Amino acid sequence: EIVLTQSPDTLSLSPGERATLSCRASQIVTSSHLAWYQQKPGQAPRLLMYGASIRATDIPDRFSGSGSGTDFTLTISRLEPEDFAVYYCQQYGTSPQLTFGGGTKVEIK
Amino acid sequence: QLQLHESGSRLVKPSLTLSLTCAVSGRSVSSGSYSWSWIRQPPGKGLEWIGYIYHTGTTSYNPSLRSRVTISIDRSKNQFSLELSSVTAADTAVYYCARGRGGSYPYYFDHWGQGTLVTVSS
Repeated sequence: EIVLTQSPDTLSLSPGERATLSCRASQIVTSSHLAWYQQKPGQAPRLLMYGASIRATDIPDRFSGSGSGTDFTLTISRLEPEDFAVYYCQQYGTSPQLTFGGGTKVEIK
Repeated sequence: QLQLHESGSRLVKPSLTLSLTCAVSGRSVSSGSYSWSWIRQPPGKGLEWIGYIYHTGTTSYNPSLRSRVTISIDRSKNQFSLELSSVTAADTAVYYCARGRGGSYPYYFDHWGQGTLVTVSS
């Protein structure tokens, strides 16, 4: 099973600051099979990125994704008030195996 | 516009079977472009994929749940269902249904239901 480790657990930042979230895999992940989601309290997750770096429909360009192999990053260039939430990475691999990271909470400092 | 809506038993007694249905509107579950998954989230915790079904009826399950899970599809009603047997308190969670993209494999999930909380308790 591919384990996804997200860091940090919590990121305390102010609106307007840059957020950098990490997702590290225990084995190589095909980039086209790596996605990121945003979840707000009481809501279902919302797809942000797929294929590691492709923004989903209606996702603003302050969100960007990068990485390959075992290390992936989600960057929010300038935090807006609505961006404070929990973020999850997810991978699909063979077996099949589909796993999520443990999540990073971005909170207002 | 695609919508997914979960329904089913909200309170299940230990050792019994949890049953949920996801009604899909705005897109046919028979489309070959998508797969259909169940994902759960225990209160205050992260996401866990349960399994998926393709329109052909092909299924795949999380190895940790495989012995207790059955996912089925009803093309005539445009819905798919989840059964989880021998439940315990550890199965208490919000259960989501979601559409997978990637053809017959769920590389990622672009539409989710609103989720339904299922509590396992006597």
